[in-house]
Amino acid sequence: EPEVTQTPSHQVTQMGQEVILRCVPISNHLYFYWYRQILGQKVEFLVSFYNNEISEKSEIFDDQFSVERPDGSNFTLKIRSTKLEDSAMYFCASRAGIQAFFGQGTRLTVV
Amino acid sequence: GNSVTQMEGPVTLSEEAFLTINCTYTATGYPSLFWYVQYPGEGLQLLLKATKADDKGSNKGFEATYRKETTSFHLEKGSVQVSDSAVYFCALTGGALIFGKGTTLSVSS
Repeated sequence: EPEVTQTPSHQVTQMGQEVILRCVPISNHLYFYWYRQILGQKVEFLVSFYNNEISEKSEIFDDQFSVERPDGSNFTLKIRSTKLEDSAMYFCASRAGIQAFFGQGTRLTVV
Repeated sequence: GNSVTQMEGPVTLSEEAFLTINCTYTATGYPSLFWYVQYPGEGLQLLLKATKADDKGSNKGFEATYRKETTSFHLEKGSVQVSDSAVYFCALTGGALIFGKGTTLSVSS
């Protein structure tokens, strides 16, 4: 069964450093998303991406965040200068129709 | 904007008990509605969905009916198992998926 894959599964970084979280969506999907979940809290929408551009973004997705689809398969989330409060699980999702498929997540720990 | 409100957890039940997790929504237009489940240490999995009013989604013994008149999509299961222990998220989409806060279910034997 096709699946969304995310790497790494866990990343530890120092405050102020840049991180890139990687996702490989399901191959024939056209819509891509990033969500985050701070420990024990709700799943929050960050950004959606369609046709090589951002189609929607939340208030959380400020200038420190960016997304890119550098080739035909990868979809990345970059945080330019990480803060302690960026520590969370980050989930990538993709969809073709109504149903979104989620990756297993990347746990980002900012120290 | 669109939003989802779920009942606060945690919900603690004994095996074979009846489960209801309430979910109401606010949306413009006619969103699709979903329940996702997150088992400990794992990602989000789609549990069931409904795309229009009066649709009933069902999977693994769980059911939810899209009620437009009450803007609700309550999750039910007649007899829970220990393996159902997880966090359950109600969600809607008219574009991006918007999630409720999640309800933790703990089932003991």
